[in-house]
Amino acid sequence: AQSVTQLGSHVSVSEGALVLLRCNYSSSVPPYLFWYVQYPNQGLQLLLKYTSAATLVKGINGFEAEFKKSETSFHLTKPSAHMSDAAEYFCAVTARGGATNKLIFGTGTLLAVQP
Amino acid sequence: DVKVTQSSRYLVKRTGEKVFLECVQDMDHENMFWYRQDPGLGLRLIYFSYDVKMKEKGDIPEGYSVSREKKERFSLILESASTNQTSMYLCASRAGSPPGEQFFGPGTRLTVL
Repeated sequence: AQSVTQLGSHVSVSEGALVLLRCNYSSSVPPYLFWYVQYPNQGLQLLLKYTSAATLVKGINGFEAEFKKSETSFHLTKPSAHMSDAAEYFCAVTARGGATNKLIFGTGTLLAVQP
Repeated sequence: DVKVTQSSRYLVKRTGEKVFLECVQDMDHENMFWYRQDPGLGLRLIYFSYDVKMKEKGDIPEGYSVSREKKERFSLILESASTNQTSMYLCASRAGSPPGEQFFGPGTRLTVL
Protein backbone atom coordinates (compact mmCIF):
# COMPACT_ATOMS: atom_id res chain seq x y z
CA ALA A 1 0.00 0.00 0.00
CA GLN A 2 1.15 3.50 -0.76
CA SER A 3 1.63 6.24 1.79
CA VAL A 4 3.31 9.62 2.06
CA THR A 5 4.87 11.38 5.02
CA GLN A 6 5.33 15.13 5.11
CA LEU A 7 7.89 16.21 7.66
CA GLY A 8 6.94 19.45 9.36
CA SER A 9 3.32 20.50 9.61
CA HIS A 10 4.40 24.16 9.74
CA VAL A 11 7.33 25.78 7.93
CA SER A 12 8.20 29.46 8.16
CA VAL A 13 10.64 31.21 5.83
CA SER A 14 11.58 34.80 5.12
CA GLU A 15 10.65 36.40 1.85
CA GLY A 16 13.45 35.68 -0.65
CA ALA A 17 14.69 32.60 1.23
CA LEU A 18 14.77 29.04 -0.06
CA VAL A 19 11.61 27.01 0.39
CA LEU A 20 12.07 23.30 1.13
CA LEU A 21 9.03 21.14 1.89
CA ARG A 22 9.76 17.50 2.57
CA CYS A 23 7.85 14.45 1.34
CA ASN A 24 8.80 10.80 1.67
CA TYR A 25 6.77 8.05 0.10
CA SER A 26 6.29 4.38 0.64
CA SER A 27 5.48 2.17 -2.31
CA SER A 28 6.43 -1.29 -3.46
CA VAL A 29 6.64 -0.14 -7.07
CA PRO A 30 7.57 3.23 -8.59
CA PRO A 31 4.50 5.40 -8.07
CA TYR A 32 3.15 8.60 -9.49
CA LEU A 33 3.81 11.53 -7.15
CA PHE A 34 2.12 14.90 -6.93
CA TRP A 35 2.35 18.20 -5.10
CA TYR A 36 -0.85 20.19 -4.64
CA VAL A 37 -1.23 23.67 -3.14
CA GLN A 38 -4.22 25.05 -1.27
CA TYR A 39 -4.51 28.81 -0.90
CA PRO A 40 -6.73 30.13 1.89
CA ASN A 41 -10.43 29.43 1.32
CA GLN A 42 -9.80 27.60 -1.94
CA GLY A 43 -9.67 24.07 -3.23
CA LEU A 44 -6.44 22.27 -4.13
CA GLN A 45 -4.49 23.09 -7.26
CA LEU A 46 -1.86 20.90 -8.92
CA LEU A 47 1.68 22.29 -8.64
CA LEU A 48 3.56 19.48 -10.37
CA LYS A 49 3.65 15.72 -10.84
CA TYR A 50 6.22 12.99 -11.36
CA THR A 51 5.44 10.34 -13.94
CA SER A 52 8.97 8.96 -14.57
CA ALA A 53 9.81 11.02 -17.65
CA ALA A 54 12.36 13.06 -15.70
CA THR A 55 13.45 12.97 -12.06
CA LEU A 56 13.52 16.76 -11.76
CA VAL A 57 10.04 18.10 -12.29
CA LYS A 58 9.25 21.76 -12.80
CA GLY A 59 5.88 23.12 -11.81
CA ILE A 60 3.98 26.36 -11.70
CA ASN A 61 5.00 29.48 -9.78
CA GLY A 62 8.71 28.58 -9.80
CA PHE A 63 8.41 25.37 -7.78
CA GLU A 64 10.22 22.17 -8.60
CA ALA A 65 10.63 18.74 -7.04
CA GLU A 66 13.17 15.98 -7.45
CA PHE A 67 12.31 12.30 -7.37
CA LYS A 68 15.00 10.35 -5.52
CA LYS A 69 14.32 6.65 -5.56
CA SER A 70 17.22 5.78 -3.26
CA GLU A 71 15.83 8.11 -0.61
CA THR A 72 12.13 7.50 -1.43
CA SER A 73 11.72 11.27 -1.43
CA PHE A 74 9.99 13.89 -3.52
CA HIS A 75 10.86 17.17 -1.81
CA LEU A 76 9.43 20.46 -3.09
CA THR A 77 11.70 23.47 -3.48
CA LYS A 78 11.59 27.07 -4.61
CA PRO A 79 14.77 29.20 -4.69
CA SER A 80 13.18 32.41 -3.47
CA ALA A 81 9.97 32.61 -1.44
CA HIS A 82 7.34 35.19 -2.21
CA MET A 83 4.60 36.38 0.10
CA SER A 84 2.04 34.89 -2.29
CA ASP A 85 3.49 31.40 -1.65
CA ALA A 86 1.89 31.32 1.79
CA ALA A 87 -0.46 28.35 1.58
CA GLU A 88 -0.82 24.71 2.57
CA TYR A 89 1.04 22.16 0.48
CA PHE A 90 0.11 18.53 0.08
CA CYS A 91 2.19 15.68 -1.27
CA ALA A 92 0.24 12.78 -2.77
CA VAL A 93 0.97 9.34 -4.24
CA THR A 94 -0.89 6.86 -6.38
CA ALA A 95 -0.04 3.54 -7.94
CA ARG A 96 0.46 3.19 -11.67
CA GLY A 97 -2.21 1.63 -13.82
CA GLY A 98 -5.92 1.40 -13.12
CA ALA A 99 -8.54 4.09 -13.20
CA THR A 100 -9.71 3.18 -9.71
CA ASN A 101 -6.34 3.69 -8.07
CA LYS A 102 -6.70 6.15 -5.23
CA LEU A 103 -4.69 9.28 -4.59
CA ILE A 104 -3.22 9.13 -1.07
CA PHE A 105 -2.47 12.51 0.47
CA GLY A 106 -0.01 13.50 3.14
CA THR A 107 -1.11 15.51 6.15
CA GLY A 108 0.00 18.80 4.66
CA THR A 109 2.59 21.48 5.40
CA LEU A 110 1.48 25.01 6.10
CA LEU A 111 4.01 27.47 4.68
CA ALA A 112 4.27 30.93 6.24
CA VAL A 113 6.33 33.61 4.51
CA GLN A 114 7.61 36.41 6.73
CA PRO A 115 8.34 39.87 5.27
CA ASP B 1 -11.60 27.01 -18.12
CA VAL B 2 -12.17 23.82 -16.16
CA LYS B 3 -14.54 24.07 -13.27
CA VAL B 4 -15.75 22.06 -10.31
CA THR B 5 -18.47 23.75 -8.31
CA GLN B 6 -19.92 22.85 -4.94
CA SER B 7 -23.41 23.89 -3.95
CA SER B 8 -22.48 25.68 -0.73
CA ARG B 9 -19.34 27.22 0.74
CA TYR B 10 -20.67 27.14 4.29
CA LEU B 11 -23.39 24.98 5.77
CA VAL B 12 -24.72 24.67 9.32
CA LYS B 13 -26.91 21.70 10.20
CA ARG B 14 -28.29 20.11 13.34
CA THR B 15 -27.49 16.63 14.63
CA GLY B 16 -29.71 14.03 13.01
CA GLU B 17 -30.51 16.06 9.89
CA LYS B 18 -30.08 14.58 6.44
CA VAL B 19 -27.50 16.62 4.55
CA PHE B 20 -26.86 16.78 0.82
CA LEU B 21 -23.63 18.16 -0.60
CA GLU B 22 -23.71 18.67 -4.35
CA CYS B 23 -20.79 18.77 -6.77
CA VAL B 24 -20.92 19.58 -10.47
CA GLN B 25 -18.10 19.47 -13.02
CA ASP B 26 -18.21 20.82 -16.54
CA MET B 27 -15.26 18.87 -17.99
CA ASP B 28 -17.03 15.62 -18.95
CA HIS B 29 -14.78 13.71 -16.54
CA GLU B 30 -15.51 10.07 -15.83
CA ASN B 31 -14.13 10.09 -12.31
CA MET B 32 -15.39 12.08 -9.34
CA PHE B 33 -14.30 12.05 -5.72
CA TRP B 34 -15.41 13.22 -2.29
CA TYR B 35 -12.79 13.99 0.33
CA ARG B 36 -12.92 15.17 3.87
CA GLN B 37 -10.20 17.57 5.07
CA ASP B 38 -9.37 17.93 8.75
CA PRO B 39 -6.42 19.75 10.35
CA GLY B 40 -3.45 17.45 10.83
CA LEU B 41 -5.10 14.63 8.89
CA GLY B 42 -4.84 15.92 5.34
CA LEU B 43 -7.41 14.76 2.82
CA ARG B 44 -9.16 11.44 3.30
CA LEU B 45 -11.20 9.81 0.56
CA ILE B 46 -14.83 9.13 1.43
CA TYR B 47 -16.21 7.78 -1.86
CA PHE B 48 -15.41 7.92 -5.52
CA SER B 49 -17.22 7.18 -8.75
CA TYR B 50 -15.64 6.15 -12.04
CA ASP B 51 -18.84 6.17 -14.06
CA VAL B 52 -22.51 7.07 -13.85
CA LYS B 53 -24.27 4.98 -11.19
CA MET B 54 -20.93 3.42 -10.19
CA LYS B 55 -19.38 4.07 -6.81
CA GLU B 56 -16.63 2.71 -4.63
CA LYS B 57 -15.90 3.20 -0.97
CA GLY B 58 -12.87 5.17 -0.02
CA ASP B 59 -11.05 5.07 3.28
CA ILE B 60 -13.75 6.56 5.52
CA PRO B 61 -17.21 5.78 4.06
CA GLU B 62 -18.99 5.17 7.37
CA GLY B 63 -21.89 7.57 7.88
CA TYR B 64 -21.89 8.69 4.24
CA SER B 65 -23.50 7.64 0.98
CA VAL B 66 -23.23 9.01 -2.56
CA SER B 67 -25.28 9.31 -5.69
CA ARG B 68 -24.23 9.76 -9.29
CA GLU B 69 -27.22 9.79 -11.60
CA LYS B 70 -25.60 12.05 -14.22
CA LYS B 71 -22.01 12.21 -15.36
CA GLU B 72 -21.51 15.81 -14.31
CA ARG B 73 -23.01 15.56 -10.81
CA PHE B 74 -21.82 13.69 -7.73
CA SER B 75 -23.70 14.06 -4.47
CA LEU B 76 -22.53 13.26 -0.96
CA ILE B 77 -25.24 12.38 1.54
CA LEU B 78 -25.03 12.37 5.30
CA GLU B 79 -28.02 10.26 6.29
CA SER B 80 -28.05 11.46 9.91
CA ALA B 81 -25.51 14.17 10.56
CA SER B 82 -23.38 13.94 13.68
CA THR B 83 -21.04 16.44 15.29
CA ASN B 84 -17.99 14.38 14.31
CA GLN B 85 -18.87 15.05 10.67
CA THR B 86 -18.11 18.73 11.13
CA SER B 87 -15.38 19.24 8.55
CA MET B 88 -14.34 20.68 5.20
CA TYR B 89 -15.63 18.59 2.29
CA LEU B 90 -13.85 18.74 -1.05
CA CYS B 91 -15.09 17.39 -4.36
CA ALA B 92 -12.76 16.59 -7.25
CA SER B 93 -12.94 15.20 -10.75
CA ARG B 94 -10.45 13.59 -13.10
CA ALA B 95 -10.40 12.45 -16.70
CA GLY B 96 -9.15 8.89 -17.22
CA SER B 97 -6.56 7.12 -15.09
CA PRO B 98 -3.66 8.43 -13.04
CA PRO B 99 -1.45 10.39 -13.49
CA GLY B 100 -4.23 12.60 -14.72
CA GLU B 101 -4.78 15.70 -12.63
CA GLN B 102 -7.60 15.88 -10.14
CA PHE B 103 -9.45 19.20 -10.30
CA PHE B 104 -10.90 20.38 -7.01
CA GLY B 105 -13.90 22.45 -6.07
CA PRO B 106 -13.61 25.25 -3.49
CA GLY B 107 -14.93 23.10 -0.65
CA THR B 108 -17.94 23.14 1.66
CA ARG B 109 -17.31 23.86 5.32
CA LEU B 110 -19.98 21.90 7.18
CA THR B 111 -20.74 22.53 10.83
CA VAL B 112 -23.03 20.10 12.65
CA LEU B 113 -24.43 21.46 15.91
